[in-house]
Amino acid sequence: DAGVIQSPRHEVTEMGQEVTLRCKPISGHNSLFWYRQTMMRGLELLIYFNNNVPIDDSGMPEDRFSAKMPNASFSTLKIQPSEPRDSAVYFCASSSSGDSTDTQYFGPGTRLTVL
Amino acid sequence: AQSVTQPDIHITVSEGASLELRCNYSYGATPYLFWYVQSPGQGLQLLLKYFSGDTLVQGIKGFEAEFKRSQSSFNLRKPSVHWSDAAEYFCAVGVSGGYQKVTFGTGTKLQVIP
Repeated sequence: DAGVIQSPRHEVTEMGQEVTLRCKPISGHNSLFWYRQTMMRGLELLIYFNNNVPIDDSGMPEDRFSAKMPNASFSTLKIQPSEPRDSAVYFCASSSSGDSTDTQYFGPGTRLTVL
Repeated sequence: AQSVTQPDIHITVSEGASLELRCNYSYGATPYLFWYVQSPGQGLQLLLKYFSGDTLVQGIKGFEAEFKRSQSSFNLRKPSVHWSDAAEYFCAVGVSGGYQKVTFGTGTKLQVIP
């Protein structure tokens, strides 16, 4: 299996621009997580999908952030408009069922820099 | 709400020496506990997990961890460290029942010197 795939791996953009991050979970997994990692705040859960439905988006920092999962094999995280404080590494992870004991498999991350 | 503390931000050990990384959790019921490793530029990879049964858990790459309820700890150990173990290590706690909302610690960065 190819594992969780994220694109792009690196993104540099200017403040105010729209940014879209993409994730392809492991085939057969029905749970998907978006995390943000920064030096200051560590690893934070932004949103969790189960069977393509957003279950918990309480970690989404503000309305500028939105996430979608149109089907079982694709998810996007969009920031519009982007700000310098959004600079971070964004990880997507998937698990087979979302059960508490499941292993989460992480993608390699997207390093976002907003100038 | 659950929380996890990793008191050591950075640890340096010599290759071949033993390793123990500390993790303390806070949760009212039996927690689900995880250790993940992150190599530079990579995502996190699960080393081991505990949710019931034997309190000494074996993981990949020769790591083990012991759940001690009385101390609210889940320390990670390895008897002999290899240079390739240099990475950042994250302890995480999950909530029993419900979905897998996992809270991660702030990480411990391990440096291995020859």
